[in-house]
Amino acid sequence: EAGVAQSPRYKIIEKRQSVAFWCNPISGHATLYWYQQILGQGPKLLIQFQNNGVVDDSQLPKDRFSAERLKGVDSTLKIQPAKLEDSAVYLCASRQGLNTGELFFGEGSRLTVL
Amino acid sequence: SQQGEEDPQALSIQEGENATMNCSYKTSINNLQWYRQNSGRGLVHLILIRSNEREKHSGRLRVTLDTSKKSSSLLITASRAADTASYFCATDAYLVVGTYKYIFGTGTRLKVLA
Repeated sequence: EAGVAQSPRYKIIEKRQSVAFWCNPISGHATLYWYQQILGQGPKLLIQFQNNGVVDDSQLPKDRFSAERLKGVDSTLKIQPAKLEDSAVYLCASRQGLNTGELFFGEGSRLTVL
Repeated sequence: SQQGEEDPQALSIQEGENATMNCSYKTSINNLQWYRQNSGRGLVHLILIRSNEREKHSGRLRVTLDTSKKSSSLLITASRAADTASYFCATDAYLVVGTYKYIFGTGTRLKVLA
């Protein structure tokens, strides 16, 4: 079974530029999560999709971050314009079914904003 | 906001020793999970303990849960150099019918010296 795929693995941009990250979850997993992990901290949930609908985006900075999950499969997370404090690893995770259970994570996309 | 707080923040032990890390959380839960993260990688699920369970074992891992104190501990016995990683607890928070979000703690950085 293929795992959660993310790209790019690394990205370096200047502040005020834009960037997009892509995630392909495990086939059949209905729930998809984007987490932001700043160096030395735990992952912070940015947005959660159930199929292609958003169920939680309470901590997503909506003035600069956007995310979509078309057709309930792949997802993209965009930052525009980027700030220095957006430097972090962006982790995508997926889970099968509803209720509670194990999350499967991708390797993450490391963003450096200069 | 972080739901869980891990303690200690960092732990350094000799190979063969046991490692214990603790997690405290704030609100009631359905289950609590522990994850491991090797440097520069995504998170990997270790073990899940339900709110009606007090102890669970998996190989060299032992997890306890005390819902009255809102705390959990992860014990790794006979540690190996390969156990060097960051360890995070994650608790679920109810969103809407059949949907939960997962909130991660601050993590414990474990270093096992050969």
